[in-house]
Amino acid sequence: TQLLEQSPQFLSIQEGENLTVYCNSSSVFSSLQWYRQEPGEGPVLLVTVVTGGEVKKLKRLTFQFGDARKDSSLHITAAQPGDTGLYLCAGARTSYDKVIFGPGTSLSVIP
Amino acid sequence: DTGVSQNPRHKITKRGQNVTFRCDPISEHNRLYWYRQTLGQGPEFLTYFQNEAQLEKSRLLSDRFSAERPKGSFSTLEIQRTEQGDSAMYLCASSLAQGPRNEKLFFGSGTQLSVL
Repeated sequence: TQLLEQSPQFLSIQEGENLTVYCNSSSVFSSLQWYRQEPGEGPVLLVTVVTGGEVKKLKRLTFQFGDARKDSSLHITAAQPGDTGLYLCAGARTSYDKVIFGPGTSLSVIP
Repeated sequence: DTGVSQNPRHKITKRGQNVTFRCDPISEHNRLYWYRQTLGQGPEFLTYFQNEAQLEKSRLLSDRFSAERPKGSFSTLEIQRTEQGDSAMYLCASSLAQGPRNEKLFFGSGTQLSVL
């Protein structure tokens, strides 16, 4: 049983479209993180959210942490082929707990 | 410092053989994690260390898997009597856990294990 669920599992869109991917849990998380992974490489951290309701922006990417700290979303505006990759959410349930990962959303942006 | 280094990048072995992987973390990082990842899936937690202390090992992990981090620097992950189901990417990550909720993991490029 996955503590962190992600949806959709796969997403294929045209360049210029907007998209949102989701990360959900039945448990409260102290913090949630989003990583992006390219084939053959390790994940790279994009952002960490720690406060319920928090919104963070990173260029065309907008991240939100749910009020109850059980879910998060990643919205990409005007997707580009360089956004292609596996998007992973990860989190720690308590402040000093280990970091665990969700199953990921595989995004493909077609030129 | 060039980041987290993992060796080897690829390992092909026959079923039943033992294999050992090495991870060199970012030098000032006190935490070190091992994860396993299969194609199209997220990293699965295996174990982690704070300095030289192993804090937790996944309950799903067979006794054939063991990890060490002597002196709180590099770490090794050993798999004994490998099975075909062990084939996966083994990822190492390190972090500087300074305070609550601000842990940032930095990953190596992984070791791809193929068991024939």
